[in-house]
Amino acid sequence: IAGITQAPTSQILAAGRRMTLRCTQDMRHNAMYWYRQDLGLGLRLIHYSNTAGTTGKGEVPDGYSVSRANTDDFPLTLASAVPSQTSVYFCASSRTSGGYNEQFFGPGTRLTVL
Amino acid sequence: GQNIDQPTEMTATEGAIVQINCTYQTSGFNGLFWYQQHAGEAPTFLSYNVLDGLEEKGRFSSFLSRSKGYSYLLLKELQMKDSASYLCAVRDGDYKLSFGAGTTVTVRA
Repeated sequence: IAGITQAPTSQILAAGRRMTLRCTQDMRHNAMYWYRQDLGLGLRLIHYSNTAGTTGKGEVPDGYSVSRANTDDFPLTLASAVPSQTSVYFCASSRTSGGYNEQFFGPGTRLTVL
Repeated sequence: GQNIDQPTEMTATEGAIVQINCTYQTSGFNGLFWYQQHAGEAPTFLSYNVLDGLEEKGRFSSFLSRSKGYSYLLLKELQMKDSASYLCAVRDGDYKLSFGAGTTVTVRA
């Protein structure tokens, strides 16, 4: 693994189904983030975690949950998917000390909820 | 909350210069980032400003005025591969970023 990976690449999901999007990084970054990107709205923060064991709500957290059991993994769960959750989901990570602490993004998951 | 504005689209000719403006109104400020995003791909980091002034990185430069809540990204000697969306993002006192909607730049031959 090099950097940050996401799975699946794309998914079509029936409304009402449960879905977990996976995110793994090998850069030992403390902080991780989940965004959704919709046309005309840009990237919006769903949830974040500043360090393993802690999580926080972003701008659009409703309908989503996260966990951060270890440094490397930050899964995003949709408990009961709705069509408005159709979007491209990006996971990102960053250091929290030293340098710019810029965020590095995974390749994204394209999710369609029907 | 954060309010970050940037133009939706810009078009320029290969070899030319384009300036993408970004204005922001934020509850806190701990740096401004510019990211590049090609269609269908992930955003990639371009530049970071936390102090007033110009930061130059090859063909790309970024400027910040904290008192005016204003930044711009300057792309010089435009190439076809520079056709992409450019995202302005502000970091508040925490590590989180708030993004503008992005500016799509189209470079024409």
